[in-house]
Amino acid sequence: QVQLVESGGGVVQPGRSLRLSCAASGFMFSNYAMHWVRQAPGKGLEWVALVSYAGTNEYYADSVKGRFTISRDNSKNTLYLQMNSLRAEDTAVYFCARDLGYGSGTYSWFDPWGQGTLVTVSS
Amino acid sequence: QSVLTQPPSASGTPGQRVTISCSGGSSNIGRSNSVNWYQHLPGTAPKLLIYSNNQRPSGVPDRFSGSKSGTSASLAISGLQSEDEADYYCAAWDDSLNGYVFGTGTKVTVL
Repeated sequence: QVQLVESGGGVVQPGRSLRLSCAASGFMFSNYAMHWVRQAPGKGLEWVALVSYAGTNEYYADSVKGRFTISRDNSKNTLYLQMNSLRAEDTAVYFCARDLGYGSGTYSWFDPWGQGTLVTVSS
Repeated sequence: QSVLTQPPSASGTPGQRVTISCSGGSSNIGRSNSVNWYQHLPGTAPKLLIYSNNQRPSGVPDRFSGSKSGTSASLAISGLQSEDEADYYCAAWDDSLNGYVFGTGTKVTVL
């Protein structure tokens, strides 16, 4: 079955880096754009980043632009999120999600989602 | 602060109809951009409920329906059931932000 499994979360000090991974299975990973979405404690969903199916185009939320990098390795069916210069406000559960639409943003919808991995930024 | 505004809460008794609004602008819902709706139970993976304004993925009951008019969209849940208690989010691409935006979220309570 189609499955996404995130890993790499944990506790990290402000200013440090962390890399999240999302392992995909049950579908042709290289055919789909992919997203990262996060949810801070007690808050709503916040979109973080989008990478095209080939990895050639990337889009970011203003809140992470210049600090986070989304990438993918289609040979490993894996999506990544490199997070640098982490701040307390980056504390959240991070979800990866497949773009089941056109992968263009304009016609993008997410299905399925992974279960999420918790990132806590604290000294 | 999200550019898509939803009421913080909505409620109804079993069997009732509940409607959730999503107010946006000319750079997101007001464009031809797809409006989508997600259901989220805390601690679980969010679930796609409605895509492309009014389309239901397979497996989603027809009790859920979506619509869009101008710069607003809405989600209707008819025949409310206890398992519908969850948080609901609208979402769309924003051409000005060049990014995807989620609504502020609505918590649905079944009384």
